[in-house]
Amino acid sequence: GAVVSQHPSRVICKSGTSVKIECRSLDFQATTMFWYRQFPKQSLMLMATSNEGSKATYEQGVEKDKFLINHASLTLSTLTVTSAHPEDSSFYICSARGASGGLETQYFGPGTRLLVL
Amino acid sequence: GNSVTQMEGPVTLSEEAFLTINCTYTATGYPSLFWYVQYPGEGLQLLLKATKADDKGSNKGFEATYRKETTSFHLEKGSVQVSDSAVYFCALTTNTGTASKLTFGTGTRLQVTL
Repeated sequence: GAVVSQHPSRVICKSGTSVKIECRSLDFQATTMFWYRQFPKQSLMLMATSNEGSKATYEQGVEKDKFLINHASLTLSTLTVTSAHPEDSSFYICSARGASGGLETQYFGPGTRLLVL
Repeated sequence: GNSVTQMEGPVTLSEEAFLTINCTYTATGYPSLFWYVQYPGEGLQLLLKATKADDKGSNKGFEATYRKETTSFHLEKGSVQVSDSAVYFCALTTNTGTASKLTFGTGTRLQVTL
């Protein structure tokens, strides 16, 4: 199946700094990318959906100025956690979907674990 | 709104044991139901799905039946292997196609030992 990579896989940063997470579709063009977050013992929650070349659509309760999403090309989306705080420590997962559409064509990255000290 | 509840793990089984991971859901409309599996260091992969009541999804020896009356989609396997050790996520969507969004459960970690 298609491969989606994330970088870095793990990051530790100081409170107040910004962290960028990259999500790449390696062998297909991803017209839509999704960013999820999972806190310990909680559900994997959708944060935002982005389509290539347009602004991301954020889910209710997700601060768009804090979680900046850029989907500038068909193979790359980035999530920047700005001015990170300890409560932002979480597991972030991206997924990518090709132009043909449905859930069967949605592929997930392995996730990025963020720890903010 | 939509929600998915999974049994809390970890689930630890010996090889060849019978596996059940419970999943129940709340949804508006008629959801499609999914099980995803995440092996260590990899992304979530679609394991099986069912799109309407009484459908049975199956793959790699795993099965799950869409039970509308109990709003459940329990994952079962008759004889687990060490290679089945992974995290399993139950999920649903109430729309399909390019607009579809998934609602996930918490995931259940399965550890299979020799």
